[in-house]
Amino acid sequence: SQELEQSPQSLIVQEGKNLTINCTSSKTLYGLYWYKQKYGEGLIFLMMLQKGGEEKSHEKITAKLDEKKQQSSLHITASQPSHAGIYLCGADIQAGTALIFGKGTTLSVSS
Amino acid sequence: DGGITQSPKYLFRKEGQNVTLSCEQNLNHDAMYWYRQDPGQGLRLIYYSQIVNDFQKGDIAEGYSVSREKKESFPLTVTSAQKNPTAFYLCASSIVPGLAQPQHFGDGTRLSIL
Repeated sequence: SQELEQSPQSLIVQEGKNLTINCTSSKTLYGLYWYKQKYGEGLIFLMMLQKGGEEKSHEKITAKLDEKKQQSSLHITASQPSHAGIYLCGADIQAGTALIFGKGTTLSVSS
Repeated sequence: DGGITQSPKYLFRKEGQNVTLSCEQNLNHDAMYWYRQDPGQGLRLIYYSQIVNDFQKGDIAEGYSVSREKKESFPLTVTSAQKNPTAFYLCASSIVPGLAQPQHFGDGTRLSIL
């Protein structure tokens, strides 16, 4: 069963617009990871969140983890064509095992 | 530069044939993982290994086999028992298995049926 739900499944935004991608779990997360993937390539690690209420930023991308550690959001400010790709959230839900992943959100940025 | 190397980038399998996907890392990571990615399905775990000579099945291990004879290598064999092997396969590694450690990924191998 899918334990991480990502929304939306796909997103088309105009260059310069802001956008948000969500990742929700039915279980408490020990760690939440955001990755970006270009089609046909590997995953690039963006950010890791561990503590409830934690927020991290890198350039124009901000990720937050809610207080209950069950939901995370990824926010991109002033989107650019270079932001286009597939964004995946991954999570530790059980100690000593591998990450589980959401199905991904495909982002297209039109210029 | 440290990293994860997957080879080949593209692989074709004939009916009844076993094929092996290579994954090598020089990051000195203890844990290694194999995922399968299908369109619209996200990543699904096939096998993972936390230490040399030990590995565990993931959610979709049927039709696959692995070995972990060396810390830096974790090859995946797709056997003829895997009836739908066409997919993008990703190998990953992490410093220690489990909590609070991001996994680092290779560039993937795309497997197709001839």
